[in-house]
Amino acid sequence: GAVVSQHPSRVICKSGTSVKIECRSLDFQATTMFWYRQFPKQSLMLMATSNEGSKATYEQGVEKDKFLINHASLTLSTLTVTSAHPEDSSFYICSAPGTEAYEQYFGPGTRLTVT
Amino acid sequence: AQSVTQLGSHVSVSEGALVLLRCNYSSSVPPYLFWYVQYPNQGLQLLLKYTSAATLVKGINGFEAEFKKSETSFHLTKPSAHMSDAAEYFCAVSDNGNNRLAFGKGNQVVVIP
Repeated sequence: GAVVSQHPSRVICKSGTSVKIECRSLDFQATTMFWYRQFPKQSLMLMATSNEGSKATYEQGVEKDKFLINHASLTLSTLTVTSAHPEDSSFYICSAPGTEAYEQYFGPGTRLTVT
Repeated sequence: AQSVTQLGSHVSVSEGALVLLRCNYSSSVPPYLFWYVQYPNQGLQLLLKYTSAATLVKGINGFEAEFKKSETSFHLTKPSAHMSDAAEYFCAVSDNGNNRLAFGKGNQVVVIP
């Protein structure tokens, strides 16, 4: 099946710095990608829909200026957590729709720890 | 807005015993329902999906789920647990199959030898 990768798998950063997370579709093109965050022992929460060549669509309550999304090519979407704070520490997961209806491929996730 | 409820974060099952994970959904439109499995340090993998066809859906690794509209449920079962079934399982719902998924909190399945 199709593969979605994320980089880095883990990152630790200091409070106030910015961190960029990459999501790549390795063997297929994705005009749309989705970004989720998952807190410990909680469900995945959809943060935003990344659209190639246009602005991302953010879910209610997600700060667009804090979580910058760029979908510059058909195989790459990036999520930048700006001015990170400890409460941003979480597991960030991306996904991309496949060619079959209702099919999505998920990346392995990125563990962000803000100290 | 659609949502799903999964009760019991940790589920222990003996090897060879029935695996039953419960999922109840809420949706204002006919739902599309999914079960995903997540192994440590890996992405979510689709186990099976319901998209308004047959109500009993068979997936990979011997899992199946039954859509019951009257009970707003989509419980996941496997007749005989295997050690390799130890993982986290998520139920998810999408309205109109638009790829925007709402996930449950997940069930961490532990298989006891």
